Amino acid sequence: DVKVTQSSRYLVKRTGEKVFLECVQDMDHENMFWYRQDPGLGLRLIYFSYDVKMKEKGDIPEGYSVSREKKERFSLILESASTNQTSMYLCASSSGGDVTNEKLFFGSGTQLSVL
Amino acid sequence: AQSVTQLGSHVSVSEGALVLLRCNYSSSVPPYLFWYVQYPNQGLQLLLKYTSAATLVKGINGFEAEFKKSETSFHLTKPSAHMSDAAEYFCAVTPTGGFKTIFGAGTRLFVKA
Repeated sequence: DVKVTQSSRYLVKRTGEKVFLECVQDMDHENMFWYRQDPGLGLRLIYFSYDVKMKEKGDIPEGYSVSREKKERFSLILESASTNQTSMYLCASSSGGDVTNEKLFFGSGTQLSVL
Repeated sequence: AQSVTQLGSHVSVSEGALVLLRCNYSSSVPPYLFWYVQYPNQGLQLLLKYTSAATLVKGINGFEAEFKKSETSFHLTKPSAHMSDAAEYFCAVTPTGGFKTIFGAGTRLFVKA
């Protein structure tokens, strides 16, 4: 069974802390994505990666960075957490090729609270 | 810029009634279109996707969606709601030639017994 695994289901951090959210996929997918989900706003793309060591900004990259050193792992980094980054974070992956037509496989999400 | 509009943040139906969730997209060129479902405490999973092979697309769990280019719509329907259909539903588009999948705000479906 294909899987996208996010390391934590719930996370509580303090303002100013550096936060790492980890995501691992076992499908040998080229593309990986980080979204944040907020009520009434749907999912908004933070960053994505279409290859190892490659990254592209999404629609709301401010305050975030990413790392993809291995194909299966895509990390989201909050350099200095702020309360407005309290949200549900969803990792997703998709195969390469005709990327526009490929469905996304999602992890279960990490609910991050910044106090 | 590409956008997706889902009409109604909440929809409530009785068990056995028709489910209709509305989605409109903005694009001069038909994009790739998807419906995803999110059950409580889970990530999103694909219900169905439009690939231009047919305007009526059938998905899992009895759901289907019809692509109407003239109306720039991709509404999701199910003839008879079941209690297990209670979830949040997201319409999404990927512009032709693009990487980024854009999601609507979501519609939460409630099913009453």
